[in-house]
Amino acid sequence: EIVLTQSPATLSLSPGERATLSCRASQTVSNYLAWYRQKPGQAPRLLIYDASNRATGIPARFSGSGSGTDFTLTISSLEPEDFAVYYCQQRSNWPITFGQGTRLEIK
Amino acid sequence: QVQLVESGGGVVQPGRSLRLSCAASGFIFSNYGMHWVRQAPGKGLEWVAVISDDGTDRRYADSVKGRFTISRDYSKNTVFLQMNSLRPEDTAVYHCFKEKRGYSYGDYWGQGTLVTVSS
Repeated sequence: EIVLTQSPATLSLSPGERATLSCRASQTVSNYLAWYRQKPGQAPRLLIYDASNRATGIPARFSGSGSGTDFTLTISSLEPEDFAVYYCQQRSNWPITFGQGTRLEIK
Repeated sequence: QVQLVESGGGVVQPGRSLRLSCAASGFIFSNYGMHWVRQAPGKGLEWVAVISDDGTDRRYADSVKGRFTISRDYSKNTVFLQMNSLRPEDTAVYHCFKEKRGYSYGDYWGQGTLVTVSS
């Protein structure tokens, strides 16, 4: 199965700052990668699909890039609701797999 | 609006069975694949199973293969997860999600139902 490794495990930033989260795949997933945000006590929400496409209703401060094995989620200017856990997910091969998550916390 | 509501969780002894339900509304149920994903307490997301839009294709994580069965009832707009031979490591919140059409990504998720396997 494809292993997704997210880094860093925890990222400490302040509101208004730029966040850069990484996801690396153990083998190529082409561009078949998504990003989710999960707030405490809530279900995940789809942010980005197929590496760089914003999901419906997702603000422009979220952007995704990458292909093959290395991917990045960028949040251009952090809002209070962005402090949460972020997961990447690949759909290139079965089984679907998720990264272990990056916790974005307030500095 | 799209809604997914899970039910059926609870406390169960190791080796016993449980059936989870995910009631869907707000979209054409027969047009979308449906998945189950679980999250152990304080842990990350683990994909469990998928059933295709027409119900003919089902896939499972190795950790549940042979013990769990996913199914769907079009008359009730509901997807099920039959869980047999439960183990303590199956303890988790179980979420269902609706696929974004044409993609195996979850564009709508339920809030989840907690399954605790303990003697």
